[in-house]
Amino acid sequence: AQKITQTQPGMFVQEKEAVTLDCTYDTSDPSYGLFWYKQPSSGEMIFLIYQGSYDQQNATEGRYSLNFQKARKSANLVISASQLGDSAMYFCAMSYQGGSEKLVFGKGMKLTVNP
Amino acid sequence: DTAVSQTPKYLVTQMGNDKSIKCEQNLGHDTMYWYKQDSKKFLKIMFSYNNKELIINETVPNRFSPKSPDKAHLNLHINSLELGDSAVYFCASSQAARGYTFGSGTRLTVV
Repeated sequence: AQKITQTQPGMFVQEKEAVTLDCTYDTSDPSYGLFWYKQPSSGEMIFLIYQGSYDQQNATEGRYSLNFQKARKSANLVISASQLGDSAMYFCAMSYQGGSEKLVFGKGMKLTVNP
Repeated sequence: DTAVSQTPKYLVTQMGNDKSIKCEQNLGHDTMYWYKQDSKKFLKIMFSYNNKELIINETVPNRFSPKSPDKAHLNLHINSLELGDSAVYFCASSQAARGYTFGSGTRLTVV
């Protein structure tokens, strides 16, 4: 069965600093996808970044990068130059690409960016 | 143009009532989903439809009945609402895993 673990319940970071949000996963499937979503207090789920299990390079999207370490089964999100608007819940998720593409989510973690 | 839109955004209703949440996507995706986010923010899939065909039903009480009239729409009907049904319900769609898109959510409160 697939499982996503986010052990940090909350983090605080100073504005303009970089921050790493941890995510480990467990699956026996060779083909899978890893996602990060942001959920601000307004409630919507905002897609940040995606990494396929066969992608050779770590994914990057603007200030977001995914530190994908396949052997360690980790998919940490790195946010460079934090902004006040980055304060939100962050969810790591995994898809099983065997057909259904359902997402399995971690518990999420709350990031607070301080001025 | 909202890619995945769901209505209503808020829904407050009494126990025992029946209610529906509607979802529409204009992305041309083949697969649509319903997820539930509980009070602890945990998100879990409920249903998935691919081209109007049910492909996932994750041990959801049969008071919950999804309906997909076409591949752009996936509605969720809930009978005999209970206090424990209070949650945020998210609709989503995808074509391939990379293109997963969520609606803005419906906050259901059962009183």
